[in-house]
Amino acid sequence: GQQLNQSPQSMFIQEGEDVSMNCTSSSIFNTWLWYKQEPGEGPVLLIALYKAGELTSNGRLTAQFGITRKDSFLNISASIPSDVGIYFCAVPTGANSKLTFGKGITLSVRP
Amino acid sequence: KAGVTQTPRYLIKTRGQQVTLSCSPISGHRSVSWYQQTPGQGLQFLFEYFSETQRNKGNFPGRFSGRQFSNSRSEMNVSTLELGDSALYLCASSLVPSGGHLYNEQFFGPGTRLTVL
Repeated sequence: GQQLNQSPQSMFIQEGEDVSMNCTSSSIFNTWLWYKQEPGEGPVLLIALYKAGELTSNGRLTAQFGITRKDSFLNISASIPSDVGIYFCAVPTGANSKLTFGKGITLSVRP
Repeated sequence: KAGVTQTPRYLIKTRGQQVTLSCSPISGHRSVSWYQQTPGQGLQFLFEYFSETQRNKGNFPGRFSGRQFSNSRSEMNVSTLELGDSALYLCASSLVPSGGHLYNEQFFGPGTRLTVL
């Protein structure tokens, strides 16, 4: 089936640093999504991307839809402690309401 | 506006038992999807309901079933529980199902943590 690859599994950064993560696939997608999940909560949509090459920002977060349509990137600038959580990439597949998720990257921010 | 609510939040069952989980979508949302989250497999789609009909189904055995009521509330049922069914079960709602190139944002509830002993 379709797979989204996210690595590494965990990232540890210092408060104030920027961090980048990517998500790759062997398949082409028309929409890329980035979600964040905090402990005890469900995932929350951070950014949705709809067009190849598109660059979209949400506060300190910036995401890009890869030009090949097989990847996407998320950048967090000037990290703060509340950025900790699991960051998932996801794509709508099948009948589009079905989301396929990457395995996620757990981000830790050291104060 | 209240978010997606799921009950119960935590559940402990033993192998062989069955369990029913409940999801109340955001008011006005008519599409409900269910996902299973485990450390090994990550987030996996179970099924989607709209207008009381199952619209889409993931690759899970028939022990996993669901339904949707006329008020859009949804339940999922797992029969003959196995140890491997221990997971966080997440419900997500959207106004209507996504279609074509349009993605209608799914809002997730906090999940029900099921432990099978």
